[in-house]
Amino acid sequence: DIVMTQSPDSLAVSLGERATINCKSSQNVLYRSDNKNYLAWYQQKPGQPPKLLIYWASTRESGVPDRFSGSGSGTDFTLTISSLQAEDVAVYYCHQYYSPPQTFGQGTKVEV
Amino acid sequence: EVQLVESGGGLVQPGGSLRLSCAASGFTFSNYWMHWVRQAPGKGLVWVSRIKSDGSSTGYVDSVKGRFTISRDSAKNTLYLQMNSLRAEDTAVYYCARAREGLVLIDYWGQGTLVTVSS
Repeated sequence: DIVMTQSPDSLAVSLGERATINCKSSQNVLYRSDNKNYLAWYQQKPGQPPKLLIYWASTRESGVPDRFSGSGSGTDFTLTISSLQAEDVAVYYCHQYYSPPQTFGQGTKVEV
Repeated sequence: EVQLVESGGGLVQPGGSLRLSCAASGFTFSNYWMHWVRQAPGKGLVWVSRIKSDGSSTGYVDSVKGRFTISRDSAKNTLYLQMNSLRAEDTAVYYCARAREGLVLIDYWGQGTLVTVSS
């Protein structure tokens, strides 16, 4: 199984400041035949289901604010919130859909 | 609008069974892979199972293999998860989730249904 490890487990960021979350996979999730990283990011607010933010490691889902961006390839990935807003307080998960079983990181809690 | 509505959760004793259902609407159900993902209280997300759009292929996380069965009924636009031999560690909110068309990427989630395994 591919193990997804996020860092840090939690971080506190001032409003308007940058938040950076890292995700490392135990195996490569870049599929050579289509040159795509099978890596997604989800946001989960308290009492709500997760919401898709980023897929293919860097493609923003429709309707997601452009302050959210994803980067990385292979085994190392980053989610960046360029200017934290109050509504961004949540837990963020990385997720690999490269091979079954699909796996999630342990989550990173972002607070103000 | 895509809607996924789970039902069937509740309190069950260890060793018991439960069947979860997920009613789907707002999209052509038979065109999409579907998933179940669970989240124990205060914990992270764990992928449980998935089923191909036509039902011909399924997959499970090791911890539920042989105990859980995923299925779908395209005539009823409904996804199921039959859970047998339940254990305390199966206690969680179970989310029904849809994959993006043609992919296994999860793009929409239901609100979830709570399963509690306890005596």
